[in-house]
This record gives sequence, structure tokens and C-alpha cells, in this order.
Amino acid sequence: GAVVSQHPSWVICKSGTSVKIECRSLDFQATTMFWYRQFPKQSLMLMATSNEGSKATYEQGVEKDKFLINHASLTLSTLTVTSAHPEDSSFYICSAVGDQGYEQYFGPGTRLTVT
Amino acid sequence: AQTVTQSQPEMSVQEAETVTLSCTYDTSESDYYLFWYKQPPSRQMILVIRQEAYKQQNATENRFSVNFQKAAKSFSLKISDSQLGDAAMYFCAPLLGNTPLVFGKGTRLSVIA
Repeated sequence: GAVVSQHPSWVICKSGTSVKIECRSLDFQATTMFWYRQFPKQSLMLMATSNEGSKATYEQGVEKDKFLINHASLTLSTLTVTSAHPEDSSFYICSAVGDQGYEQYFGPGTRLTVT
Repeated sequence: AQTVTQSQPEMSVQEAETVTLSCTYDTSESDYYLFWYKQPPSRQMILVIRQEAYKQQNATENRFSVNFQKAAKSFSLKISDSQLGDAAMYFCAPLLGNTPLVFGKGTRLSVIA
């Protein structure tokens, strides 16, 4: 149980275009999901907290107009990178909080490459 | 600000031997959770072990155990009988109060055959 999926696993897009990444909790409902960004050989950096039915809370330094987060249902959160640029190339990971209210379950990640 | 320190960027261990990865954190909370995650080359985050701060007994999961020293704010991970599949990045992550997980910088573990 407690499986989280992400789609796509790898995406290549051209500079200036937008790309959407989906995060789904497959066998549980998640009122809270998190989005992380990870550069090569670095740790996970929290970008935002996504709560179902409300606006996401962004960490300091994260542009909310560039990284749009929508948590429209208890099993789906989406991250849209708008007007992507090469510096947005990174590994994006989502996680969802389980039923017990504290443990996070992680998706497999999405590699974004902006050319 | 919450801080997590993993002071060993890289560690290596011989197969079948034991290795300990260190982690210290800073918090004023009294009740919280502590996690160790493993990130293999696939980059999937895998939960290795969790510890509830209110429990005095150290958590154990098969070959993985922790040494939790609450007063010292220390949470080390011991891997016994190391296997080649244990090679990965290991992240310490406290869950403190109502804040999201805070990840340390990680320790890259190599296992030598």
C-alpha cells in the first residue's frame, strides 16, 4: 500500500514552453502533498506544500507564478512549470502524506530537461 | 530555522561489515519523528527506518537500527552485514512539529565487495 506515482518520468521541452507533472496517490487519499526539487548530487529542496482544495504554500525563493501547483482532488496534485528555461532543468519529486498524518510516501520523480 | 547535519558526505564499507551514518538536528520540539531515507541510483526515495521521539527504545528494521540520543539531538543509522544493494545516498529527515520534512545533505555510501 501507500503508492505514489508521477507522470511523466522524464520530459524534454523547449525553452519558453510549459510542462505539467502529475503526482497521484494510488491507494490512499492525501490531503497534503509536497513538491521537491533535487539537483545532481544534492539533497531534496522543498518547493511547496500542496493542500487539497486550497492554495499551495511556497517556500521562500520559489516563484509561485512560475511553478503552479494545483491539488484539485485527494489523489492528484499537479506541478506546472511555466515558460520553462534551461535553469529549470532538474529532478522533481512529489510526496503524499499518508492516513496516519505524518509519514510521507514519495513518487519516483520526474526528470525535466529544458533545451 | 530547523537544521539537520549529516557530517559525512561519503562513507564506504566492506561487504558484510557494519557502518554507522551520523545525523544531528536542532529543535525545540519535544515530540517529533525521525526518518532515514535511502535514495539508490534510480532516485526513488525509500524509507529505511523511523523513530518516534517519545519512544526510548531504538528502532530496528532487520539489518538497520538507529541510535537515538534525544538529549544530544542525535539520530545515527547503523547498517549491519552490509550488502552491495545498500550502496546509495542516505538522508536523515526529522519531522518537527507541523513543518514538512527537513532533509540533511546526505551521505553517499559505497559498499566494497
